[in-house]
Amino acid sequence: GAGVSQSPSNKVTEKGKDVELRCDPISGHTALYWYRQSLGQGLEFLIYFQGNSAPDKSGLPSDRFSAERTGGSVSTLTIQRTQQEDSAVYLCASSSWGGITDTQYFGPGTRLTVL
Amino acid sequence: GNSVTQMEGPVTLSEEAFLTINCTYTATGYPSLFWYVQYPGEGLQLLLKATKADDKGSNKGFEATYRKETTSFHLEKGSVQVSDSAVYFCALSVEKAAGNKLTFGGGTRVLVKP
Repeated sequence: GAGVSQSPSNKVTEKGKDVELRCDPISGHTALYWYRQSLGQGLEFLIYFQGNSAPDKSGLPSDRFSAERTGGSVSTLTIQRTQQEDSAVYLCASSSWGGITDTQYFGPGTRLTVL
Repeated sequence: GNSVTQMEGPVTLSEEAFLTINCTYTATGYPSLFWYVQYPGEGLQLLLKATKADDKGSNKGFEATYRKETTSFHLEKGSVQVSDSAVYFCALSVEKAAGNKLTFGGGTRVLVKP
């Protein structure tokens, strides 16, 4: 079946602009995660959605970052007033039930460059 | 808190050589342990996992054993191929009330030369 898809694959924006990144998880997966991969910070967790529960936002680096998940499926990560330090690859992952033994399947990522 | 430490790369070796990538962890609670691999130009994919002490995960000739006494999960392969050139990430997940996010190590780049 189809894997996790993300769009766009690349995004170049100017400092101060807002960006939206999209993630389509594997059909039927109830858990969805956003991570960020950058040279300075490695791979870091941003936010987690599980079904209709309140999201775990503990990894969001600032209040410029927000995310939503509509209908328990597609998710959008929004970065407002982008800064150069936001440049990174943003990865989305989904898993079937969100347990600690559950495998997370990753999308190809969105490479964000803030000029 | 939770953290994962893995050996820094790059690791360069010849085809058919033995590969070991060390990984140690600290965790609040009983973690599940994972190795993910990122091939050039591709996304992260699960290589293997182990969910309890003394379990051995294996896939594609790679193995790793969950050692609770040494808090380690070292990755090994007996005979590497050029196609094993990639970045390898050790990771853990610990159950918490609101999600089981992965905590990753810094990644180890492996380059296998013919």
